[in-house]
Amino acid sequence: DAGVIQSPRHEVTEMGQEVTLRCKPISGHDYLFWYRQTMMRGLELLIYFNNNVPIDDSGMPEDRFSAKMPNASFSTLKIQPSEPRDSAVYFCASSPGTPKYNEQFFGPGTRLTVL
Amino acid sequence: DQQVKQNSPSLSVQEGRISILNCDYTNSMFDYFLWYKKYPAEGPTFLISISSIKDKNEDGRFTVFLNKSAKHLSLHIVPSQPGDSAVYFCAASGLQAGNQFYFGTGTSLTVIP
Repeated sequence: DAGVIQSPRHEVTEMGQEVTLRCKPISGHDYLFWYRQTMMRGLELLIYFNNNVPIDDSGMPEDRFSAKMPNASFSTLKIQPSEPRDSAVYFCASSPGTPKYNEQFFGPGTRLTVL
Repeated sequence: DQQVKQNSPSLSVQEGRISILNCDYTNSMFDYFLWYKKYPAEGPTFLISISSIKDKNEDGRFTVFLNKSAKHLSLHIVPSQPGDSAVYFCAASGLQAGNQFYFGTGTSLTVIP
């Protein structure tokens, strides 16, 4: 298996623009997670899905952020409009079972820079 | 509020010596703990875990110790190798703590040849 795939790897955009990050989880994994990594807060969980259904989005910072999972092999995280404080590395991860006690497999991340 | 804390942002160790990375948590409902390792431009990868029914788990050069009364865990790497240079994240979860992992801010380990 190729592992979790994220695209793009790097994104530079201007404030106010829409940004869409993409993720393909490992086949057969029922859980998908979106994280944001910053120096101050480390890895923060933004939202996670179970069988394509959003379960907990309490980590989504504000209404500018939205995530979808239209099928088992694809998810998007959208920021509209983007702001400089959204600059961070965004990771997607997937897990074969309940995240409480199962390893999560991370993608390589998308480094987002908002100017 | 940070429920999992790694108070040392960085650590430097000579090759062959022991590396000790520390992690503290605040939620007594956590009962499962993991360490992840992250190289630059890559995602974190699972390293080792420990359940709260144990106080030690060992895997080769890596050992994790758990002190539940102090809400503290540590990762020992012996002997340290230059390839161990990476950022190490501590994470915690628990049946009563929500269906997710809580991660720390990470400790950047540099092993000096």
